[in-house]
Amino acid sequence: VLTQSPGTLSLSPGERATLSCRASQIITTISLGWYQQKPGQAPRLLIYGASNRATGIPDRFSGSGSGTDFTLSISRLEPEDFAVYYCQWFGKSSVSFGQGTRLEIK
Amino acid sequence: EVQLLDSGGGLVQPGGSLRLSCAASGFTFSNYAMTWVRQAPGKGLEWVSAISGSARSIYYADSVKGRFTISRDNSKNTVYLQMNSLRGDDTAVYFCAKNWREGIAVYDNWGQGALVTVSS
Repeated sequence: VLTQSPGTLSLSPGERATLSCRASQIITTISLGWYQQKPGQAPRLLIYGASNRATGIPDRFSGSGSGTDFTLSISRLEPEDFAVYYCQWFGKSSVSFGQGTRLEIK
Repeated sequence: EVQLLDSGGGLVQPGGSLRLSCAASGFTFSNYAMTWVRQAPGKGLEWVSAISGSARSIYYADSVKGRFTISRDNSKNTVYLQMNSLRGDDTAVYFCAKNWREGIAVYDNWGQGALVTVSS
């Protein structure tokens, strides 16, 4: 089980965002990803392997962490970054998503 | 350019059936596992099912096991989700997604989603 915090984060453009994803047991870093979803759109892969940016993802997005605690950071928020963010874990035969963090404009 | 086109959604009564399709293009389809993920209205993402490139390995979430069947036709570059014994809590937008690479179940491309509404 993945637990994301906070549920909602209110920040202003230009600020730094830090989103947390905690696993109920130790997981391998390769199995952890992060997605961004905007209203009415499919999710977009941001980070794979806990810390690797997917193709085309700006370098203001970064992922870190190991064991049970993982973080998605956005260094300087742009207006288009306000969205819902999900972490995701995969195992051999199942996948789970966190419940999401809504990043809203303050 | 990778494209995934979901289709087959609609309104169905409880206990009914529906088949979703996802037509893929822009990559060598048979080399990639494919996955279905759903999202109930106003809720988060829920993994539903996955199928390997060869179709030899298939996996289901407990919530759909025994009711849903995933399959693929590599000659048509299409993955399917047959949904039987549908319930109200199956109401969701269903997305197909392409696995980033074999053995790595993160999803680098997604369809636009197909809305399934289960209601009498």
